[in-house]
Amino acid sequence: AQSVTQLGSHVSVSEGALVLLRCNYSSSVPPYLFWYVQYPNQGLQLLLKYTSAATLVKGINGFEAEFKKSETSFHLTKPSAHMSDAAEYFCAVSDQSFQKLVFGTGTRLLVSP
Amino acid sequence: DTGVSQNPRHKITKRGQNVTFRCDPISEHNRLYWYRQTLGQGPEFLTYFQNEAQLEKSRLLSDRFSAERPKGSFSTLEIQRTEQGDSAMYLCASSLPTWGTASTDTQYFGPGTRLTVL
Repeated sequence: AQSVTQLGSHVSVSEGALVLLRCNYSSSVPPYLFWYVQYPNQGLQLLLKYTSAATLVKGINGFEAEFKKSETSFHLTKPSAHMSDAAEYFCAVSDQSFQKLVFGTGTRLLVSP
Repeated sequence: DTGVSQNPRHKITKRGQNVTFRCDPISEHNRLYWYRQTLGQGPEFLTYFQNEAQLEKSRLLSDRFSAERPKGSFSTLEIQRTEQGDSAMYLCASSLPTWGTASTDTQYFGPGTRLTVL
């Protein structure tokens, strides 16, 4: 079965600092990987996805992620944090046997002025 | 494109009661998914429809849970004889196949229905 592990349930950064949210995956087949963001009392919004094309994926709101097969990682980064980035971030892997997403436990990003 | 809508947004019920949630996907999206999210966790897959056919059900979907998508448009999720452990956010998502397998589809999520079982 496929799974993802998100290291750090909470990450705190200052406004303008680098954002790094970690995600490691486990998969016996080439995975498809996703990052979603969830604001309070809202559904999930797709930030970016990796579907076996370019290993560096650019998403919305200045976020990007790099697929590293050797490290089984798909970490999310943003060069400069904004206050509006404060939210919960979920990494997910697509199960190629069935049409579902398998999510990690999430990382809450806190941005201080 | 008005997005995925879910109703109600909040539901409070007493243990043992039945509840039903509705999801309206983005028009022309033929795939529809239900997920459940408990506090501090990521969403967990419950079930998946392609048009009106229910193609997969999670082991999480006990016999008290039933989902339908009668005409391949909106979907309902019913929970019978609710238990306190059913308290969660129930999320619906829809997708439209672009290329390749459905594994690469972008799933668009609704705002969710928050269920509280007293």
